[in-house]
Parts: sequence; C-alpha cells; structure tokens
Amino acid sequence: GQNIDQPTEMTATEGAIVQINCTYQTSGFNGLFWYQQHAGEAPTFLSYNVLDGLEEKGRFSSFLSRSKGYSYLLLKELQMKDSASYLCAVRDPGGKLIFGQGTELSVKP
Amino acid sequence: DTAVSQTPKYLVTQMGNDKSIKCEQNLGHDTMYWYKQDSKKFLKIMFSYNNKELIINETVPNRFSPKSPDKAHLNLHINSLELGDSAVYFCASSQGQYSGNTIYFGEGSWLTVV
Repeated sequence: GQNIDQPTEMTATEGAIVQINCTYQTSGFNGLFWYQQHAGEAPTFLSYNVLDGLEEKGRFSSFLSRSKGYSYLLLKELQMKDSASYLCAVRDPGGKLIFGQGTELSVKP
Repeated sequence: DTAVSQTPKYLVTQMGNDKSIKCEQNLGHDTMYWYKQDSKKFLKIMFSYNNKELIINETVPNRFSPKSPDKAHLNLHINSLELGDSAVYFCASSQGQYSGNTIYFGEGSWLTVV
C-alpha cells in the first residue's frame, strides 16, 4: 500500500527555524518531492531528494533517509510569507506522484 | 508567460450537467496530468498522458474522460456531474514521467456542483 504521513498543522515564530517531518511507506521509490501551496494557489516545487542526505536551497533544506522511509523539510529564518501548506510527495516506479495530506504552517509575528 | 494554464478558473454548475476543463502547457513537456484536490486538501492523481498516450488511469468514475489532442493539451470532460465532484482540479506537466522530473501545476479550476 501507499502511505505518506505528515503533521496536519504546525505553528512557528517569525525568524525561527521549523522542521516538517514526513514518513512514507510505498511500494517502490523513485524520489521524494516537497511542494509549497498557499491558500487558493497551485502547489509550487521546493525540493527533490532521491539519494540519502541533505539538499540545501537558500532558506529551505530537505533531508532524506531511504532506509527509514523518512524526510524532513527545514525552513530557516521564517518569514510571514512562509505561512502555507507544505506537501510531501513520493514518486513510485510507475511515475505516479503520491501526496501526503499536507502540513499547514502558520508563522506568527 | 503562464507555463501551465487551465480554464475556467471557477465553475459553478448544476447536478447532472456536463462540463469541460481545458489545459495547455507551453513548457515543451511530454507528460501531462490531472489531479483532484478535495476539501481536506488531499491531492490525488486522476490521469496521466505521455505524448498523447494514456499511461495512468486511477480508479476514477468513467464519467470523467480525459482527451489529449496533442502533447501540449490535456482536457478533462465530466459527464452527469454529482455533488461529490466539487473540488479543485489541477492540471500539471513534467518533462518525463519518471524519477527527478519535476511536476509543474496549473493554477487550478474550482468546480462547485449545486
């Protein structure tokens, strides 16, 4: 079966660091994606991991451990505009992108 | 300039009607998708086409019929609309269907069935 779990909601303070976790159990693995989705808008691509380790892109970093079926998205120096839903998605060998339910992040002043 | 564009953005219609949503991408991608996002914000794949050929067809009622006239277009036609069809429908595209090919989403079509 396919199962992707992430927390439903998180709250953090402007300027702080927040880590959003994602665990997955899928039949096959061809990479893990993180997307950001603001209310009423399209999901936009943030990061992609296919090998174990940390990928850093500016204020955003994403980590993957394939043996543990685990990833996290790290957001540093939080800004108000980072308030959004963060979607973890796994690509299966057939090319399908399977999404978790998303983590709604609220950044407070 | 919009990479993946879909129309209409908002659609309110009565139960039993037939409606279409159109999608076009100008990225030169080979693969296009339709995703449905329900009220709980779960994004689920419905269909995928690669070079006009259907490659993914999830368990979707056959009232939903995708059509890809060429690799830059993937339209979605829905017959006999039901209340439960109310959702946001996202069109998307990627260079290919495997591994690291990033999927780019259109802005969504908000369908409300009354």
